[in-house]
Amino acid sequence: DGGITQSPKYLFRKEGQNVTLSCEQNLNHDAMYWYRQDPGQGLRLIYYSQIVNDFQKGDIAEGYSVSREKKESFPLTVTSAQKNPTAFYLCASRSEGSNQPQHFGDGTRLSIL
Amino acid sequence: SQKIEQNSEALNIQEGKTATLTCNYTNYSPAYLQWYRQDPGRGPVFLLLIRENEKEKRKERLKVTFDTTLKQSLFHITASQPADSATYLCALDKSGTYKYIFGTGTRLKVLA
Repeated sequence: DGGITQSPKYLFRKEGQNVTLSCEQNLNHDAMYWYRQDPGQGLRLIYYSQIVNDFQKGDIAEGYSVSREKKESFPLTVTSAQKNPTAFYLCASRSEGSNQPQHFGDGTRLSIL
Repeated sequence: SQKIEQNSEALNIQEGKTATLTCNYTNYSPAYLQWYRQDPGRGPVFLLLIRENEKEKRKERLKVTFDTTLKQSLFHITASQPADSATYLCALDKSGTYKYIFGTGTRLKVLA
């Protein structure tokens, strides 16, 4: 089955620690996205990538970093500079062309220890 | 700045009735609008897309309308069922980019 796999489902971060969230897709999509979802707020874009080896900052990129070395993979690192990292993180992908919907993974819930 | 508003209040309706959810936007003219369903602890799932030149789109029990004059989309679920209970999100494209703007979502509860 084609889809997007996010891991882990739950993640805990200690103070001063960097953590990396995994996102893998086998849909052969060029574009991939990372969103953050907080209670009562819409999805906010952290980073997105249109092609391999290229990515752009979204609306709330501070304290986060990404890489796109392979088409299938778009990992997100939450650095110690992100002071309020507790949230639900969603990865998505879409195919080339306008009017294309996004396909989402089932998220990673990050909490602070 | 561009903004999307959805009813933040939860919507409770009786099984069998039609649920109507609203998505209003400002400071933007999107080329198309999308609706997604999100269950607790899960990622959103795409439901329907409507283009700016389309007034209405249907898929089984779902219907979406798009009024570019009012800057509003309505999402209808007819003959609602308890299994339709979820949060529904609308999203607009940012024309010329790969980016989307999402609303906060409306939580629907269908009572048996």
